[in-house]
Amino acid sequence: DTGVSQNPRHKITKRGQNVTFRCDPISEHNRLYWYRQTLGQGPEFLTYFQNEAQLEKSRLLSDRFSAERPKGSFSTLEIQRTEQGDSAMYLCASSSTSGGGISDTQYFGPGTRLTVL
Amino acid sequence: EDQVTQSPEALRLQEGESSSLNCSYTVSGLRGLFWYRQDPGKGPEFLFTLYSAGEEKEKERLKATLTKKESFLHITAPKPEDSATYLCAVQPMDTGRRALTFGSGTRLQVQP
Repeated sequence: DTGVSQNPRHKITKRGQNVTFRCDPISEHNRLYWYRQTLGQGPEFLTYFQNEAQLEKSRLLSDRFSAERPKGSFSTLEIQRTEQGDSAMYLCASSSTSGGGISDTQYFGPGTRLTVL
Repeated sequence: EDQVTQSPEALRLQEGESSSLNCSYTVSGLRGLFWYRQDPGKGPEFLFTLYSAGEEKEKERLKATLTKKESFLHITAPKPEDSATYLCAVQPMDTGRRALTFGSGTRLQVQP
């Protein structure tokens, strides 16, 4: 079990450019989540997938943001026409429903830090 | 709307000085309350899940407790390596909703 991995770890871009981040969940975890965290705040939920289906989206997820999980394994988060307000840490988490418990624990990756100039 | 408020925002302790962190929450039916630890520049690290009032969980110097409106993270005889931000999050019972709502965290500094 290598944990959740995210790439790149850091991204600097200019306003108006598109960026894409990748998340590889813990092997065999069927749920995958994206969160955004700004300095001094807790993570804010963006969206979640169960296998390849996107089941929940936050109101924070504007139409410039799109996420995919095409084969139910890794996921990508794309931000189009970036704005300075998009600067944040983008966190990915994964969980498994196989335990049969009430709630499945979300395990987080190291994050991708985005800076929009 | 689910809400989580953590206090204090920051806490400075001397090594060995025990204390408690507070997490107050409102949620439309609680599926689970989670505690995470986060070091600077890293992702949150899972500590505990609590499901119902009266439940307690322990790990090394940490003990988490839960009531119907609050959770506490008790730190006994902390060491400098316990310095981190501690995050509390809730997950609602609503079918299909899996999003965690986080508080802003408590930044803990333990001085030797």
